[in-house]
Formats: sequence, structure tokens, C-alpha cells
Amino acid sequence: GQNIDQPTEMTATEGAIVQINCTYQTSGFNGLFWYQQHAGEAPTFLSYNVLDGLEEKGRFSSFLSRSKGYSYLLLKELQMKDSASYLCAALDSNYQLIWGAGTKLIIKP
Amino acid sequence: GAVVSQHPSWVICKSGTSVKIECRSLDFQATTMFWYRQFPKQSLMLMATSNEGSKATYEQGVEKDKFLINHASLTLSTLTVTSAHPEDSSFSICRAKRRDTEAFFGQGTRLTVV
Repeated sequence: GQNIDQPTEMTATEGAIVQINCTYQTSGFNGLFWYQQHAGEAPTFLSYNVLDGLEEKGRFSSFLSRSKGYSYLLLKELQMKDSASYLCAALDSNYQLIWGAGTKLIIKP
Repeated sequence: GAVVSQHPSWVICKSGTSVKIECRSLDFQATTMFWYRQFPKQSLMLMATSNEGSKATYEQGVEKDKFLINHASLTLSTLTVTSAHPEDSSFSICRAKRRDTEAFFGQGTRLTVV
């Protein structure tokens, strides 16, 4: 079956760095997305990886290892507004998104 | 960037009534529309996929007679929840895809059935 695993909740301190991991098993693979979702709002796009390696975009970076079925989202210089759920989603061979349950990130002052 | 407008963003309705949610792609033609639903503390779940001009394909377990999806034009898709009940209270999000590119989310609709 198809499956996405990511931690349910993480806590970090303002100004610090946090890494949210995601592992996936899908029927085929056409890339991996990370989205940020604040409560009651639609997810907003953060990153898309289809090749192995690290993609940096400001304070956020995303890493992919296709051979390991593994990705992580790295958030640097954490701000209180980064408190949200972070969703990992893999695109399968039929171009359908398989979603993780999301990681709730709590930022403490 | 591509803009997808979804409304209403928040709706309260009485049990047994119907609610229509609209999703419009403002500056591109959406050849495919995805409708998702999210219950509290759960992941987004795909409800159905529709291509313009054809009937929607529903995911297993989704009642097609209860969740009516119309994708009559390349810029508009609607989701109608018929005979809503309190257990239907959830967050629905559309996602519009133009050919061969990434898909874009609407703003989402929080549905509360009382």
C-alpha cells in the first residue's frame, strides 16, 4: 500500500532550527511536496523536490533521497509565526498526491 | 502566480440542508480539479477528481450522491454537500491543475453543520 509517515508533533524554540522528517512508500514517484497549514486555512506551498539533494529557499530548505524514500523540511531561525502544521505529500505514478497526516510544530519563546 | 478563489470560506448550515462551495481559477484554465476534505487532527483526504466536461471520479468510500461535483467549465468547479449532517462538519479544499503544471489550492471552506 501507499503510506506517508511523519511525526505527529514537534516543539522547538524561537530562533532555533528544526528538522521535520518524512518517509514515503508509493506506487511510483513523481516528486515530494511540503506544505504549511495554519489552523482553519488552506495549505500553502513550501517546496517541491523530485531530484535527490537539498533545495534551499530562504529560511526553509527541503531534502530528498529517492533511494531511501526519505525527505526532510529544515526550518531555520524559527519565528512564532512558523507555528503550524507541516504536510508532506508524495506524487505517485498516477500523479495523485498521497498525504501525510501532518506534523504540528509548536514554537516556544 | 496562479490564483484559485474558493468561497465561501466559512459556512454554517442546518442539518438536512444543502451547501454549495465554488472554486474558480482566476487566471488560468483548470483542466483538472481535485476536492479534498479534512477532519480535525486528520490528514487531507482526496474526495474526488474531475476533468472539465466529464463526470467526477470519486475515491472509495465517498458518496457520490451526497457530494455532487460539477466541473462545467475550465474555470469553475462546484462541490455541493446535500442533506448535510453534523458529522459532515469539516474543512474542504479545492485544488486546480492546469495542464502539465503544478496544481494550486483554493483558500478552503470551513463547514459547520448544526
